[in-house]
Amino acid sequence: ELKVEQNPLFLSMQEGKNYTIYCNYSTTSDRLYWYRQDPGKSLESLFVLLSNGAVKQEGRLMASLDTKARLSTLHITAAVHDLSATYFCAVSLSNSGYALNFGKGTSLLVTP
Amino acid sequence: NAGVTQTPKFRVLKTGQSMTLLCAQDMNHEYMYWYRQDPGMGLRLIHYSVGEGTTAKGEVPDGYNVSRLKKQNFLLGLESAAPSQTSVYFCASNGRMTASGNTIYFGEGSWLTVV
Repeated sequence: ELKVEQNPLFLSMQEGKNYTIYCNYSTTSDRLYWYRQDPGKSLESLFVLLSNGAVKQEGRLMASLDTKARLSTLHITAAVHDLSATYFCAVSLSNSGYALNFGKGTSLLVTP
Repeated sequence: NAGVTQTPKFRVLKTGQSMTLLCAQDMNHEYMYWYRQDPGMGLRLIHYSVGEGTTAKGEVPDGYNVSRLKKQNFLLGLESAAPSQTSVYFCASNGRMTASGNTIYFGEGSWLTVV
């Protein structure tokens, strides 16, 4: 059974600070996804990471993947209030129709 | 969210009633999924489909049935609703896998309360 663990589950940080969210998964996977969800809304795709060493950046967010360690990180640089949301990582397996297995999410609150 | 439409968006059911959630996508995607989201649990896969006429069980299939008679539609049914099925339900779709990676599109969600 594929397990996906995120930490921390809750994160309160000040504007301007940096922080990293970690995502560990238990078995080899085709690809790793990061999503953002605002309260009462659907999921917004942030990144898809395909290979070992992959790094993608969008604005203040940067995601990386280490397939050997089965670890992905989402790094937040100089946080701003607009980044407050819940962030999910998910991995897919080809033997289940590429369905996503999600972590429990990291609820991020950025305060002044 | 472009291309994936869920109906209804909100519904209140009495215990024992039945209902069907409809998911429609207009991107000609092969793969479709139903998830439920509960507080602190992330999203959990209920059922999925890898093409028209096919369905398979996910992590939490009990109490649900699905059908994919047409490629663009994936229906989720609750035959006899229970309070434990109070949740937010998300449908998603995914096209053929490519080397550059796929974006999986989610619907806007359906809020279901069973009383």
